Amino acid sequence: GENVEQHPSTLSVQEGDSAVIKCTYSDSASNYFPWYKQELGKRPQLIIDIRSNVGEKKDQRIAVTLNKTAKHFSLHITETQPEDSAVYFCAAIGSNDYKLSFGAGTTVTVRA
Amino acid sequence: GAVVSQHPSWVICKSGTSVKIECRSLDFQATTMFWYRQFPKQSLMLMATSNEGSKATYEQGVEKDKFLINHASLTLSTLTVTSAHPEDSSFYICSAVRDRILNEQYFGPGTRLTVT
Repeated sequence: GENVEQHPSTLSVQEGDSAVIKCTYSDSASNYFPWYKQELGKRPQLIIDIRSNVGEKKDQRIAVTLNKTAKHFSLHITETQPEDSAVYFCAAIGSNDYKLSFGAGTTVTVRA
Repeated sequence: GAVVSQHPSWVICKSGTSVKIECRSLDFQATTMFWYRQFPKQSLMLMATSNEGSKATYEQGVEKDKFLINHASLTLSTLTVTSAHPEDSSFYICSAVRDRILNEQYFGPGTRLTVT
């Protein structure tokens, strides 16, 4: 099955700086890569996603890049704000099913 | 929008008892729902795939006789934790698939289970 690795596990940034989280996946046929933000005790919220036919996608302060050759994708958050503090998960859907395989998560702390 | 609910939001039960958790898609039909378990400070781990009208498929290492899944309608899947033990205490989250082709799935708010 699909194996997703995520780095770093924790990330502390100064408000206004950028945050970057990187993930790699194992199944070269994977075609969908969502990113989720989860606050303590809450459900994961989809913040952005990218499909395998696109290399980059941006939504205001959030962007995701995908390198299919290297099998990695990254989340970029610019101009970070305290409300960006949360746990972020990358995920991938493998080629044979509709199951999400999640990375281990990154705890992002934005210092005011 | 697509709304998925879970009930209860939290439950405390005694060791050895069973607990049922419901997952409902409120404004769409879902032939497929997923059940995840999340321990503190860990990622979501897929437990099983719930298919309407057929048996659930379980991930490796998940006991199907302990975690009973029923998907009797297009809007409801239930997870029953049987003979619960303290190590079953966790955050259980479901998701419902609205569109397989577009990979649209929506998460429920989760159920916090504490077994004493």
